[in-house]
Order: sequence, then C-alpha cells, then structure tokens
Amino acid sequence: DQQVKQNSPSLSVQEGRISILNCDYTNSMFDYFLWYKKYPAEGPTFLISISSIKDKNEDGRFTVFLNKSAKHLSLHIVPSQPGDSAVYFCAASVYNTDKLIFGTGTRLQVFP
Amino acid sequence: GAGVSQTPSNKVTEKGKYVELRCDPISGHTALYWYRQSLGQGPEFLIYFQGTGAADDSGLPNDRFFAVRPEGSVSTLKIQRTERGDSAVYLCASSSRTSGESKRYNEQFFGPGTRLTVL
Repeated sequence: DQQVKQNSPSLSVQEGRISILNCDYTNSMFDYFLWYKKYPAEGPTFLISISSIKDKNEDGRFTVFLNKSAKHLSLHIVPSQPGDSAVYFCAASVYNTDKLIFGTGTRLQVFP
Repeated sequence: GAGVSQTPSNKVTEKGKYVELRCDPISGHTALYWYRQSLGQGPEFLIYFQGTGAADDSGLPNDRFFAVRPEGSVSTLKIQRTERGDSAVYLCASSSRTSGESKRYNEQFFGPGTRLTVL
C-alpha cells in the first residue's frame, strides 16, 4: 500500500527552464510534506517542507505547492541548474508521529 | 560540524549470518531514525529512538531485526539470520526534535548509509 506516490521515475529538463516534480498521497492524516534530494552514494538531504495547513512554501529557486483536495503536491525548481541533477524524494509525516513515509523518487536530469 | 556517520559503508555477508550496523548521529541530537532503502524504492521507516528508548519500532519487518541506543547517542541495528531479501541500503538519520515538542517540520539529517549485501 503505497501511501506516497511519485509516478514519474525520471524527468529531463534543459538548464534555465522550470522543473516540476509531482507527488500524490492517500493518507489524510499527513501533517507535513517534505522534499529530499539525493546524490549517488550520499544520504538524502532536506530541501523544503510544507505544513498541511499551507498551500505554498517558497525558498529561493524552490517552491512547493500543496493541493489538499486533490491530495497532490509539487516541487517547482526555477531556473533549473545542472547541479540540481539528483533523485528527488517526496515524503510525508503522519500527525503525531515522527516517521517519514517516502515516495519512490524521481530522477531529475538538467542538461545544458 | 560533523554530520551523521555510518559504519561500515559496505557489508557483504552470507545468508544466515549475523550483522551489526552502526550509526553516529549529529552531536546533541536526541532523536535517531533507521530506514531501509531497497533498489528502486524510497527509504522505508524501521525504528525511531527518542533518547535511549525506542519510541516507535512499528517498521521493523520481523523479530530478526533489533536496534539499540544504550547511551542515547550511537545506535546499532542488529540483524540475525540474514536473508537475501535483507539486501538494501540501511540509512540512519537524526534530528534535534525532543519528545513533546510542537512539530514545525521534521528535518531529519541522513547519513550516507550502509549497503548490505546478503549472498
């Protein structure tokens, strides 16, 4: 039972353009959503989060949008840079717990 | 400052053997988490410690898996009678979240992982 789904295993974007990574979830009890970025042979690193009571959070080039009615969130990266090439994981935490539920990841490649 | 470290970085063992995986969290972090990442999947929660005690072990797949954190710092994940299906990258994370603290966001800092291969 995959509670957090990333249906696109990969995405290729030209440098300077916008990258949009998508995530769907099924559990209405999630209270925080997070995006993590992972380079090969390294652990995931935190990128940005959003509370379930918000619909948008922005941090520099990164913006996360949350649509609770659709149970959908997305990460926008603009402008995309070659250094953004990595695997991006969407994650969610259940209300009143500390464990994170991760999606399967989307591999982003930003080419010149 | 130093991040989360995990040793060994790679471990190859034979089916049926016992293994221990070590995690050194960020100094001062009271919360420690273990996750397992299989090929093509996202990290899967195993267990969470707050201080020395396991606050949530609901992700441990069976009783062959056990984890300890005796002094509230370093943690060891122990796997008995390893099976080929245990092959994965085992990730450790820590956070400064304290028990009862109002949660703003759950930033967990991950180590590089231990790649376990069971032959």
